[in-house]
Amino acid sequence: QVQLQESGPGLVKPSQTLSLTCTVSGGPINSGGYYWSWIRQHPGKGLEWIGYIYYSGSTYYNPSLKSRVTISMDTFENQFSLKLTSVTAADTAVYYCAGGLKWELLFDYWGQGTLVTVSS
Amino acid sequence: DVVVTQSPLSLPVTLGQPASISCRSSQSLVYSDGNTYLNWFQQRPGHSPRRLIYTVSNRDSGVPDRFSGSGSDTDFTLTISRVEAEDVGIYYCMQGTHSITFGQGTRLEIK
Repeated sequence: QVQLQESGPGLVKPSQTLSLTCTVSGGPINSGGYYWSWIRQHPGKGLEWIGYIYYSGSTYYNPSLKSRVTISMDTFENQFSLKLTSVTAADTAVYYCAGGLKWELLFDYWGQGTLVTVSS
Repeated sequence: DVVVTQSPLSLPVTLGQPASISCRSSQSLVYSDGNTYLNWFQQRPGHSPRRLIYTVSNRDSGVPDRFSGSGSDTDFTLTISRVEAEDVGIYYCMQGTHSITFGQGTRLEIK
């Protein structure tokens, strides 16, 4: 069974870069067909998809965040990561990593989520 | 951008009664491969979301059969045939035909 675990700082200063890592267990991250995504949820609000990295390494980002987002993967550590630059208070949210095999099965697996607060 | 609109946003339901949530898209969700990428998720209080339904009407493994999905093109529905206490939470539809967007969420509560 695939399991995901987010890690990273819970507090980031405005204008800095938010960096999170998702560690995947239960299978290789570069296993064929998998999409690995980041999703966030502002406090008390709905879900916002940030972007994904395909098992092959190709990426696709939410157009509204594209200029500030980079998702990468480390096959040796079996992890994928999120970098969000120039953060503001509006980026305060619970950040989830999620994975799924095939497009119709997006978000099969979820991490437990990690709260990131942007504040000085 | 494709906008996905759910209604109602709040849904009080009596235990044992049915419940329905509507999800409407600003564009057709039929993809060029013939599939309609409309999924439903449940988020219980304090938990990560969990997918219930994929491609409109396919129930995920372990999901009770009281949950069903239906619809086509731009108009979709999640139905719970008999609401149980464990169904309390927020329900989201998600389209994956034109990039990925979620609906605003529908909060289901017990009356």
